[in-house]
Amino acid sequence: EPEVTQTPSHQVTQMGQEVILRCVPISNHLYFYWYRQILGQKVEFLVSFYNNEISEKSEIFDDQFSVERPDGSNFTLKIRSTKLEDSAMYFCASSAAGWGYTFGSGTRLTVV
Amino acid sequence: AQKITQTQPGMFVQEKEAVTLDCTYDTSDPSYGLFWYKQPSSGEMIFLIYQGSYDQQNATEGRYSLNFQKARKSANLVISASQLGDSAMYFCAMREETSGSRLTFGEGTQLTVNP
Repeated sequence: EPEVTQTPSHQVTQMGQEVILRCVPISNHLYFYWYRQILGQKVEFLVSFYNNEISEKSEIFDDQFSVERPDGSNFTLKIRSTKLEDSAMYFCASSAAGWGYTFGSGTRLTVV
Repeated sequence: AQKITQTQPGMFVQEKEAVTLDCTYDTSDPSYGLFWYKQPSSGEMIFLIYQGSYDQQNATEGRYSLNFQKARKSANLVISASQLGDSAMYFCAMREETSGSRLTFGEGTQLTVNP
């Protein structure tokens, strides 16, 4: 069964450092997403990406965040200068038509 | 107002029994979709079942069924014949036609299946 692959599974970074979270969506999917889940809380939408541009973003997705699809297979989330409150599980998801979503296993980001 | 409300922070069920996890939603869109995801302690999000707002029948997937009551805006998940491996966090989520393709999640219900 096709799956969404996320790397790394766990990343620890110093406050103020830049991090890049990587995702390989399902190959024939066209819509890509990032969500985050702060420990013990609900999953929150960050951004959606379609046709090589951001189609929607939440209020959480400020100037510290950016997304990119650099090579047609990877989909990345960059956090420019991490803060302690960025510590969370980050999920990548993809869908073929904007309705059925497949989530990756997540990257647990810990900012120290 | 909360778009998705899951009023049960924790639920307990005996193995082999059925359990219902509650979900109510709030939308004025005529077209929307409702999803249930399972999140085990390992953290991944596993899709369980989907119900579209125009679907006439309640969705079923194996031991999972969705009790969809449109007028009451509820979409409860029913798990039949619970297994120990069903112990996990369960999230209800909604996609509304007018809010792009984002999913809005509820707070989740932690289900514990007792032997």
